Amino acid sequence: AQKITQTQPGMFVQEKEAVTLDCTYDTSDPSYGLFWYKQPSSGEMIFLIYQGSYDQQNATEGRYSLNFQKARKSANLVISASQLGDSAMYFCAMREFDNNNDMRFGAGTRLTVKP
Amino acid sequence: DVKVTQSSRYLVKRTGEKVFLECVQDMDHENMFWYRQDPGLGLRLIYFSYDVKMKEKGDIPEGYSVSREKKERFSLILESASTNQTSMYLCASSLFPGGANQPQHFGDGTRLSIL
Repeated sequence: AQKITQTQPGMFVQEKEAVTLDCTYDTSDPSYGLFWYKQPSSGEMIFLIYQGSYDQQNATEGRYSLNFQKARKSANLVISASQLGDSAMYFCAMREFDNNNDMRFGAGTRLTVKP
Repeated sequence: DVKVTQSSRYLVKRTGEKVFLECVQDMDHENMFWYRQDPGLGLRLIYFSYDVKMKEKGDIPEGYSVSREKKERFSLILESASTNQTSMYLCASSLFPGGANQPQHFGDGTRLSIL
């Protein structure tokens, strides 16, 4: 069964600094996709970035990048140059290719950016 | 942009009431999902649907049912609300088959309180 682990319930970062949010996963399927979502206090879930298990390069989207270490089964989100608006809950999720409908989420990390 | 609309942001109901949560998406997505979000537990899948009148149980279907009479609309029903169903409920949609790299698109969530 799929399992997603986010070990950091809360993180603090100084504005303009970089921060890494950890995510490890467990799957026996060689083909899978990893996703990160941001949830501000208003509640909506915002899709940030995607990494496929066969992608050769780490995914990047603006200030977001994914540090994908397949052998260690980790997919950490790196946010560069943190902004106050980055304060939110962040969720890591995974979908196995053989189970196209089923996306599993971690418990989330609450990031607080300090001015 | 995909728009997923949930009928209520906040809802207060009483124990034993039948509660309907409505979700509408405007992108002709085949897949629709209902999640429950609780602190420390992340998002847990209640039910999903991959076509009109089709439904599949997720991880925590007990006490819930769903209805999908039209492709764009997916309803979550609490048959007899209980206090342990107080939670944040999130609706999502995605393409199918589309590929496992397709993100799920979420509504703004409904914060449901059962008194």
